[in-house]
Amino acid sequence: GAVVSQHPSRVICKSGTSVKIECRSLDFQATTMFWYRQFPKKSLMLMATSNEGSKATYEQGVEKDKFLINHASLTLSTLTVTSAHPEDSSFYICSAKAGTANTEAFFGQGTRLTVV
Amino acid sequence: GNSVTQMEGPVTLSEEAFLTINCTYTATGYPSLFWYVQYPGEGLQLLLKATKADDKGSNKGFEATYRKETTSFHLEKGSVQVSDSAVYFCALSDPGGSNYKLTFGKGTLLTVNP
Repeated sequence: GAVVSQHPSRVICKSGTSVKIECRSLDFQATTMFWYRQFPKKSLMLMATSNEGSKATYEQGVEKDKFLINHASLTLSTLTVTSAHPEDSSFYICSAKAGTANTEAFFGQGTRLTVV
Repeated sequence: GNSVTQMEGPVTLSEEAFLTINCTYTATGYPSLFWYVQYPGEGLQLLLKATKADDKGSNKGFEATYRKETTSFHLEKGSVQVSDSAVYFCALSDPGGSNYKLTFGKGTLLTVNP
């Protein structure tokens, strides 16, 4: 299947700093990318959906100013956690799909964020 | 709204045992149904899917049948291997929107012992 690369796989940052996570589709053009957050022993929670060249659509309860999403090209989307706090510590996963039909979404490896 | 309920884990089996992980859903319309697998330290991979009622998805010895009457999509495998140890997620895609967002269950951790 297609490859989605997420970077970094792990990051530790200090409270108050910002962290950027990258999601790249390596061998296809991702018109749509999704960002999820996975809590321990919980399911993946969809945070936002981004379409290339337009503003991301955030799910209810997700702070837009806290979690900045940029999808500037068909192969790259970034999630920036601004002014991180310990409660932002979590596993963040992106997925990418081509087209708007019910095609398969391919997932990145995930990023473990720890805020100290 | 859409939701997915799957069997709470963890599930621990011996090699060659039969596996069932239950999954039921609530959704409007006619969603597509998926099982994803997450191996330790890796991202999610699509295991199998079914797009309409009575469809059976299958892959790597795993099977699941889309049962509209019981709103279920239970995952089964006749003989598990140690390499099947992973977290399994049941999911559905919302056909109502153009992006076909996925809604996931909580995941079931499967451990297979030799």
